[in-house]
Amino acid sequence: DAKTTQPPSMDCAEGRAANLPCNHSTISGNEYVYWYRQIHSQGPQYIIHGLKNNETNEMASLIITEDRKSSTLILPHATLRDTAVYYCIVRVASGGSNYKLTFGKGTLLTVNP
Amino acid sequence: SQTIHQWPATLVQPVGSPLSLECTVEGTSNPNLYWYRQAAGRGLQLLFYSVGIGQISSEVPQNLSASRPQDRQFILSSKKLLLSDSGFYLCAWSVMDGTEAFFGQGTRLTVV
Repeated sequence: DAKTTQPPSMDCAEGRAANLPCNHSTISGNEYVYWYRQIHSQGPQYIIHGLKNNETNEMASLIITEDRKSSTLILPHATLRDTAVYYCIVRVASGGSNYKLTFGKGTLLTVNP
Repeated sequence: SQTIHQWPATLVQPVGSPLSLECTVEGTSNPNLYWYRQAAGRGLQLLFYSVGIGQISSEVPQNLSASRPQDRQFILSSKKLLLSDSGFYLCAWSVMDGTEAFFGQGTRLTVV
């Protein structure tokens, strides 16, 4: 799997948009970008994933650059409950010989009142 | 709907004692299963993953082992715990294409 680089921490004001960047300059053509988050003392939670088009769901939006070397997860209206570690993962979507799901250090997002 | 059960929630064990953590998944068949560990203040470390009954891949050589005796059951074991085995253990499952993984609530293990 391609490696990812994320800032170790970010702050955001409650009610504002939180934009979490991720660099994945060695991403391959068949690798997807996934985002998970982990609230303290809980298991990670899937947020969203995409290949090259921008994606949106009820939790967040994912913006992938045209060259696919970086992406941004956007939480449009951050709340205090969004305080968590956010993980950006790049991997092949289909199992094949690559079933592993590995996490980096992620970004600790702190939403402030 | 699919659910994942992991127990116990917390565990305190003396050094040198055995360990057995169990994880079961309901509502799906042929899931990929994973065991992770998270030491205090550290990231998630993949320990084992399994793509089928009896098929276990180990990521980190250590005194832990995993077994999958049934399709939806994944067990993490140790014969003799070390202090360094303390941490937050998480079980997870995904469908065969691995697009989205679902995590259990975790077991907080303290080895004393």
